[in-house]
Amino acid sequence: SQQGEEDPQALSIQEGENATMNCSYKTSINNLQWYRQNSGRGLVHLILIRSNEREKHSGRLRVTLDTSKKSSSLLITASRAADTASYFCATDPNSGGSNYKLTFGKGTLLTVNP
Amino acid sequence: KAGVTQTPRYLIKTRGQQVTLSCSPISGHRSVSWYQQTPGQGLQFLFEYFSETQRNKGNFPGRFSGRQFSNSRSEMNVSTLELGDSALYLCASSSRTGGNEKLFFGSGTQLSVL
Repeated sequence: SQQGEEDPQALSIQEGENATMNCSYKTSINNLQWYRQNSGRGLVHLILIRSNEREKHSGRLRVTLDTSKKSSSLLITASRAADTASYFCATDPNSGGSNYKLTFGKGTLLTVNP
Repeated sequence: KAGVTQTPRYLIKTRGQQVTLSCSPISGHRSVSWYQQTPGQGLQFLFEYFSETQRNKGNFPGRFSGRQFSNSRSEMNVSTLELGDSALYLCASSSRTGGNEKLFFGSGTQLSVL
């Protein structure tokens, strides 16, 4: 079963607006990561937030993590048409590191209209 | 540094055949993971290899197998193909030096089973 669940499934905004995507997960984690995928291509890593961190920034990206609620959010500010893609959260389970497996949600499809 | 290379990019097979997909990780990366991506199930973890050893396996039938060579290159094999095996197969590598690692993905192999 999926560990992470993104919300919303699809989001359509105008260029220049902010986009917020949410992710909920079920079990304890070591870290949570966000990836981006352009149609039919491989995923590109955006940002990683450790379980002991609450907020992290990278350029126009801001990620928050609330381990008590088992949720995370990804904010993209001042969006551009080139940000159009699917965005996935992925969790690294708190399993001691020897049986590594990253579990992905089903993603949010973001469309930024010019 | 070259990225993760997957070959072939596209593959068309018929039911009952078998297929082998190849993945060359980023130089120096010893961990290779495989994922299956379909519109219905999203990204599903297949298996992960580290230094030629399978360390973790997802919930897939035994028709799905893999291996890793001493140069860290990996192959996955699917025998007795079924229509439901049609998917984008993604390979990812990481250095896996101590946890909190991000994955670097290849562009994937799009497999169509007719």
